[in-house]
Amino acid sequence: GAGVSQSPRYKVAKRGQDVALRCDPISGHVSLFWYQQALGQGPEFLTYFQNEAQLDKSGLPSDRFFAERPEGSVSTLKIQRTQQEDSAVYLCASSLVLRQTANYGYTFGSGTRLTVV
Amino acid sequence: GQQLNQSPQSMFIQEGEDVSMNCTSSSIFNTWLWYKQDPGEGPVLLIALYKAGELTSNGRLTAQFGITRKDSFLNISASIPSDVGIYFCAGQIYGKLTFGQGTILTVHP
Repeated sequence: GAGVSQSPRYKVAKRGQDVALRCDPISGHVSLFWYQQALGQGPEFLTYFQNEAQLDKSGLPSDRFFAERPEGSVSTLKIQRTQQEDSAVYLCASSLVLRQTANYGYTFGSGTRLTVV
Repeated sequence: GQQLNQSPQSMFIQEGEDVSMNCTSSSIFNTWLWYKQDPGEGPVLLIALYKAGELTSNGRLTAQFGITRKDSFLNISASIPSDVGIYFCAGQIYGKLTFGQGTILTVHP
């Protein structure tokens, strides 16, 4: 597709429920990133994939958060036993080429707004 | 998690006025970026800066990468109503972005 697609756009989960958020990156984009954006804050890095390899997961807040990208394309962010503090917008971004000092085609999706009640 | 220090937090200006916002960090970044985010959407890149001291323009937008690599500013000239939104600075290393808290810009016609 023309842009990064995320689904669902909105998700309401009961506390303790597991959720799965999907990201379809731009076709051919090697790198994929997940960010968490709390209300009134800037996005915060969660994790990064290059193709199917998860190269950095230092931003995942707890072991309840898990991300995968098994075929190097679509990625899923899973949150187990959701808690109220998990309520946020989850943004996915993909990039064509990754270099230390460059930012080639780094494009964000519209995000999934997760509300835990 | 770490966030950059972005100021001001909000601005309320008249159409036609110039706007300036800045961002500082305790860490050095290789790239500085400025994004705009509209409600319900992801951030959209406005300007990217790759070298310390670099001054770059994109239409009415001008941004600079500080010499120390720890700060950046964004200027918007002759603001228009569609400039309304939230502006974020971000520092980048190896693709990973660290964002500021955002500046909420309101433009009064």
